[in-house]
Amino acid sequence: QVQLQESGPGLVKPSGTLSLTCSVSGDSIISTDWWTWVRQSPGKGLEWIGEIYHSGATNYNPSLKSRVTISVDKSNNQFSLKVSSVTAADTAVYYCGKVGTTGSYVEHWGQGVLVSVSS
Amino acid sequence: QSALTQPASVSGSPGQSITISCTGTSSDVGGYNYVSWYQQHPGKAPKLMIYDVTNRPSGVSIRFSGSKSGNTASLTISGLQAEDEADYYCSSYTSSGTRVFGGGTQLTVL
Repeated sequence: QVQLQESGPGLVKPSGTLSLTCSVSGDSIISTDWWTWVRQSPGKGLEWIGEIYHSGATNYNPSLKSRVTISVDKSNNQFSLKVSSVTAADTAVYYCGKVGTTGSYVEHWGQGVLVSVSS
Repeated sequence: QSALTQPASVSGSPGQSITISCTGTSSDVGGYNYVSWYQQHPGKAPKLMIYDVTNRPSGVSIRFSGSKSGNTASLTISGLQAEDEADYYCSSYTSSGTRVFGGGTQLTVL
């Protein structure tokens, strides 16, 4: 059974960079699947951030593309998210996930981690 | 990309059936059979309930079913149970190669 666990600072200062890591167990990051990040602002809906394939190919939400980088660390079976120039609007629970075989859905989700942007 | 349109809330009594709609465009919902649905209980991570419009993952109750007509997808829950009370989100692949979620629907079991 695939398990995903997000980790990273719970508090980031405005204008700083948010950095999170997703550790994958029960599966290999170099399997033939995509890996994704989704966030949820307090009391709001889900927002797709982007996804990465083990080759390094990425797709990003156009509204976040200029500030987001997703990367993969094959040696540690992890993938990461960086969001630069953060503001209070980036305060959210961030989820990592494994995309299903047709590439269109999130099959497995991490438990999520709350990141607050505040001075 | 604009979020898919879902009703903010729906309700039903135990044993009844309800349907949640998810409206997009020909560039997302209408253009591909790549609509998925997620259930989210308060404080929990979303859970996949339906993928590729009509498919149910292993372990998901047969009371949950999905369909699509034109630019609108639907999630139907039959035989409503108290444990079905949650938020539900749809998602679709888009012509830009990205993904988009709906705004979410709060289901209340009366």
